[in-house]
Amino acid sequence: GAVVSQHPSRVICKSGTSVKIECRSLDFQATTMFWYRQFPKQSLMLMATSNEGSKATYEQGVEKDKFLINHASLTLSTLTVTSAHPEDSSFYICSAPVPGQGAAFFGQGTRLTVV
Amino acid sequence: GQQLNQSPQSMFIQEGEDVSMNCTSSSIFNTWLWYKQDPGEGPVLLIALYKAGELTSNGRLTAQFGITRKDSFLNISASIPSDVGIYFCAGSNYGGATNKLIFGTGTLLAVQP
Repeated sequence: GAVVSQHPSRVICKSGTSVKIECRSLDFQATTMFWYRQFPKQSLMLMATSNEGSKATYEQGVEKDKFLINHASLTLSTLTVTSAHPEDSSFYICSAPVPGQGAAFFGQGTRLTVV
Repeated sequence: GQQLNQSPQSMFIQEGEDVSMNCTSSSIFNTWLWYKQDPGEGPVLLIALYKAGELTSNGRLTAQFGITRKDSFLNISASIPSDVGIYFCAGSNYGGATNKLIFGTGTLLAVQP
């Protein structure tokens, strides 16, 4: 099946620094990718839709200047958490829809810890 | 953000038992998906449903797309220890303005050998 690769799987950073997370579709092209955030024992909450060649669409309540999204190619989207704070610590997951279908495949997730 | 209502919230069963969980929405979808998530991992797609009334199986798993397009259920037969995890339903409207998935609240499944 389609494969989505996310990197890094876990990262620890100091408060005030920025962290970049990459999401790649390995065997298909994705004009759209999605970024989710998941807190412990909770469901996935959509943060934003990444659009290749255009601006990302952010969900209500998500700060676009805090969570920068870039979708520079048909196989790569990046999420940068800027000026990270401890409350940004979470599990971030990307997904890409399978071309021609309503299903989506997910990356392995990134555990971000801000200290 | 919007979430789908998923029940039960958790289940603790014995190996070999059958399991049933369901998901409801206040709005309609043209696609229903079921995922399983292990700790520290991303969700893995189990079953995709694209048509109202559709009943689809994947091994011991069976899922149905509700006729009203506002609900779906997932059954797991003869559970085994590796079925442990969190199961999420998700709905989307493929072909619409966006293909974004709306997730259910999740069902935690624990299987005792």
